[in-house]
Amino acid sequence: GQNIDQPTEMTATEGAIVQINCTYQTSGFNGLFWYQQHAGEAPTFLSYNVLDGLEEKGRFSSFLSRSKGYSYLLLKELQMKDSASYLCAVLDSNYQLIWGAGTKLIIKP
Amino acid sequence: GAVVSQHPSWVICKSGTSVKIECRSLDFQATTMFWYRQFPKQSLMLMATSNEGSKATYEQGVEKDKFLINHASLTLSTLTVTSAHPEDSSFYICSARSLAGDSYEQYFGPGTRLTVT
Repeated sequence: GQNIDQPTEMTATEGAIVQINCTYQTSGFNGLFWYQQHAGEAPTFLSYNVLDGLEEKGRFSSFLSRSKGYSYLLLKELQMKDSASYLCAVLDSNYQLIWGAGTKLIIKP
Repeated sequence: GAVVSQHPSWVICKSGTSVKIECRSLDFQATTMFWYRQFPKQSLMLMATSNEGSKATYEQGVEKDKFLINHASLTLSTLTVTSAHPEDSSFYICSARSLAGDSYEQYFGPGTRLTVT
């Protein structure tokens, strides 16, 4: 079966750094997405990795290791508005997105 | 660019009635549109995938006769919840994938909150 694992919930302090991990086992791999979803809103795109390595975009970075079936999303200089759920999703061999359950990130002052 | 709209943003209906939700890609053509459902504090659940001009592919456990999907054009897909019941109350979100290029990114609409009384 296809499986994506990410922690259910994480807590971090404003101004700090947090890393949200995602491991996956899917039938094929055509890329990995990270989305942010605030409560009551639709997901918004954060990043896309298809090759190994780190992709940096402002305060957010995403890393991928295809051999390990592993990715992480790194958030720096945390702000209160970063409190949200972060969804990891993998594009499988049929180009269908397989979604993780999401990680709820709580930012404390 | 890549804006997806949904209408209505919220709707309250009586049990037994039908509700239609529209999903439009405003500035691009979408080969494929996806319909998701999300219950409170749960992750997205894919309901069905629709390609323009063909029948939707429903996920296991989703009743195709209850959730009617029509993808009439490259910019419009509709989801009709027929004979709605309180357990159908949920947040329904559509997404669209662009016809152009090789990006498989899904662009999400803002969602429709359905409450069935």
